[in-house]
Amino acid sequence: AQTVTQSQPEMSVQEAETVTLSCTYDTSESNYYLFWYKQPPSRQMILVIRQEAYKQQNATENRFSVNFQKAAKSFSLKISDSQLGDTAMYFCAFMKLSGGSNYKLTFGKGTLLTVNP
Amino acid sequence: DAGVIQSPRHEVTEMGQEVTLRCKPISGHNSLFWYRQTMMRGLELLIYFNNNVPIDDSGMPEDRFSAKMPNASFSTLKIQPSEPRDSAVYFCASRGTGAYEQYFGPGTRLTVT
Repeated sequence: AQTVTQSQPEMSVQEAETVTLSCTYDTSESNYYLFWYKQPPSRQMILVIRQEAYKQQNATENRFSVNFQKAAKSFSLKISDSQLGDTAMYFCAFMKLSGGSNYKLTFGKGTLLTVNP
Repeated sequence: DAGVIQSPRHEVTEMGQEVTLRCKPISGHNSLFWYRQTMMRGLELLIYFNNNVPIDDSGMPEDRFSAKMPNASFSTLKIQPSEPRDSAVYFCASRGTGAYEQYFGPGTRLTVT
């Protein structure tokens, strides 16, 4: 079974600064996807960014980028130029693509990020 | 695109009562997932359907929980009888054919007293 660990329950950052959220995972699979989801106080789950395991290039979406280290099974999220609207719970998630129970998401416990003015 | 629609948004019921949560996936999506979010256990998958067929229900906690998907545009999650420990936010998500992203509905907050 896959496990996803987010070791930082809470983090804070000043507006306009950069913050990195950590995520590690454990799997024996070779074919998988990794995701970061954001859950603001509205509780809506919003997809932030995804990374295909077979791609060495780190994914980027505007101010959001990842540092994917496959050998280390690490998948961190960097938020640049933090904005007040980035305040939310952030979840790292794993999805395997083959075998039984594929396509389901396994989530970490989340990191609560607060952006301070 | 209306996104994934869930109803009701909030449900308060008494222990022992039957609860039915509803989900309408994004049009054209062929996979549907039910997740439960609690403080203690975080986000966990309950069941998922592919082309209206249940594929993995290993996360369904016990026989009190049942899920159906009678057609491509509607799914229900039923709890009968409900218990206080079922209090949680229940999310429905859908995925399109050939895609990997799951899109979540706004969730239903269930409180069982």
